[in-house]
Amino acid sequence: DAGVIQSPRHEVTEMGQEVTLRCKPISGHNSLFWYRQTMMRGLELLIYFNNNVPIDDSGMPEDRFSAKMPNASFSTLKIQPSEPRDSAVYFCASSLTRQAYEQYFGPGTRLTVT
Amino acid sequence: DAKTTQPPSMDCAEGRAANLPCNHSTISGNEYVYWYRQIHSQGPQYIIHGLKNNETNEMASLIITEDRKSSTLILPHATLRDTAVYYCIVRRGGAGTALIFGKGTTLSVSS
Repeated sequence: DAGVIQSPRHEVTEMGQEVTLRCKPISGHNSLFWYRQTMMRGLELLIYFNNNVPIDDSGMPEDRFSAKMPNASFSTLKIQPSEPRDSAVYFCASSLTRQAYEQYFGPGTRLTVT
Repeated sequence: DAKTTQPPSMDCAEGRAANLPCNHSTISGNEYVYWYRQIHSQGPQYIIHGLKNNETNEMASLIITEDRKSSTLILPHATLRDTAVYYCIVRRGGAGTALIFGKGTTLSVSS
């Protein structure tokens, strides 16, 4: 299996622009997680889905952030409009809800907002 | 989820055992102890987990005290590639719930 796939790997954009990060979970996994990592705040959960349904979005910083999971093999995290403080590495992870105790992380998307 | 406390950093010589402690004194009966690590610039990687018995896999061993208030991750023969940040996480069982990461322990393995 190719593992969790994230795109793009690097994104540089100007403040005010819309940014869309993409994630393809491991085939057959039914839980998907979006995390953000910064030097100041470390790794923090943004939102997670079980069976394509958002379960907890309390970590989403504000209304500028939105996440969707239209099907079991694809999820997006959108920031509109972007701000410099959104600069971070965004990780997507997937897992089997009931059978496994392991979350598999993607390589991350490094976002820089200037 | 219970809070965990880890030392911010540790050093280990290559080939020696690395013993990483974690305190989780408020752990409740249905909470597991998980260990993940993050090698620079990569996504976190699952290492091992346990409830109350000691566990061992190809990567590491997990020793949980009888009162479950603390645990130790053991890398039996550390290599340079084990240099990473190690996170101890306590949460209810099942992978369908989110991980809450603390600051972890930065392990530096040197030759």
